[in-house]
Amino acid sequence: KAGVTQTPRYLIKTRGQQVTLSCSPISGHRSVSWYQQTPGQGLQFLFEYFSETQRNKGNFPGRFSGRQFSNSRSEMNVSTLELGDSALYLCASSIGTSGSGELFFGEGSRLTVL
Amino acid sequence: GQNIDQPTEMTATEGAIVQINCTYQTSGFNGLFWYQQHAGEAPTFLSYNVLDGLEEKGRFSSFLSRSKGYSYLLLKELQMKDSASYLCASTFNDYKLSFGAGTTVTVRA
Repeated sequence: KAGVTQTPRYLIKTRGQQVTLSCSPISGHRSVSWYQQTPGQGLQFLFEYFSETQRNKGNFPGRFSGRQFSNSRSEMNVSTLELGDSALYLCASSIGTSGSGELFFGEGSRLTVL
Repeated sequence: GQNIDQPTEMTATEGAIVQINCTYQTSGFNGLFWYQQHAGEAPTFLSYNVLDGLEEKGRFSSFLSRSKGYSYLLLKELQMKDSASYLCASTFNDYKLSFGAGTTVTVRA
């Protein structure tokens, strides 16, 4: 079956702009979680959505937001981009909640902020 | 975060054994995951430990000691394709999955 799909794979933005990233989970998976990955920092948890509800949120500013649709697809949005937002954004889906079992990761969206 | 610590880098020879240690805060601990991430690729699941002890899956084994806040991933009969970053991750009472910074393993011929 198809894996987790993230779009776009690469994008370049300038400071102050906003960006929307999309994640399509594996069919039947109800949980989608988002992570920011930067060199040396590892994966930092952004938020998790389960059945269209935000179940958990990491320690990121309010410029980072997300949502999940009825078909389990999820989007995350970053407004007023800063240079430090340059990172690989990974989405992962799972059958149950993210801490209960295996996560299936997408290839990621690599964001560069100039 | 939940103070998940693992070494930054390890180097080993093809055919050898490498042990990657991971320590975490025990308060509110639920379970521990290991993921493998090759450069430029998505992380993939290796193991999940909830109970104390060793779980073996082929060349890879994972150990957990809940009371000591300690886990390790053991890679046996190392192959060149095992060169990757290995991520330790834990869940706690808040059910957020917290990752360590990752251990980059380099396998040399």
